Amino acid sequence: EAGVAQSPRYKIIEKRQSVAFWCNPISGHATLYWYQQILGQGPKLLIQFQNNGVVDDSQLPKDRFSAERLKGVDSTLKIQPAKLEDSAVYLCASSSRAGGTKNIQYFGAGTRLSVL
Amino acid sequence: LAKTTQPISMDSYEGQEVNITCSHNNIATNDYITWYQQFPSQGPRFIIQGYKTKVTNEVASLFIPADRKSSTLSLPRVSLSDTAVYYCLVGEENYGGSQGNLIFGKGTKLSVKP
Repeated sequence: EAGVAQSPRYKIIEKRQSVAFWCNPISGHATLYWYQQILGQGPKLLIQFQNNGVVDDSQLPKDRFSAERLKGVDSTLKIQPAKLEDSAVYLCASSSRAGGTKNIQYFGAGTRLSVL
Repeated sequence: LAKTTQPISMDSYEGQEVNITCSHNNIATNDYITWYQQFPSQGPRFIIQGYKTKVTNEVASLFIPADRKSSTLSLPRVSLSDTAVYYCLVGEENYGGSQGNLIFGKGTKLSVKP
């Protein structure tokens, strides 16, 4: 079974530029998550989708961050404009309710963003 | 605020059993306890999940006392490759809506020495 795919793996931009990250979840997983992980800290949930609807975006800085999940499969996370403090690893995860797994999350390798 | 408390770091030697305890005093009736492992430059990976008593799989055991206010992840006979950060999460099994209370803390950094 293919895992969660993310691209790019690394991105370097200057502050005030825009950047987008892409995620392809495990096939059949209805729930998709985007996390931000700053060095030395645990992942912080930014947004959660159930199919193509948003169920939790309470910690997403909506003035600069946006995310979409068209057709309930792939997802993109965008930052516009980027700030220095956005330097972090952006993780995508997906989960399924099937088989009584209690929403165990499967993570991609992440995109490491450096804002200069 | 994180709902869980774990030691920041632990050291061990190869071949030893390692027990990492997580405190979750405010655990709710519907909350499950889930542990993840994270290596550098990788996303977290699911290890084990439980609700009460003891759960065991091929890589770890999870011990949960009757009051469920804490849990202990047990790794038998660790090796160098078990050096990683371990996260304890407490969250609802909520099939219809938000899992927004699934919060990662800083985790426990386990260092296994030869």
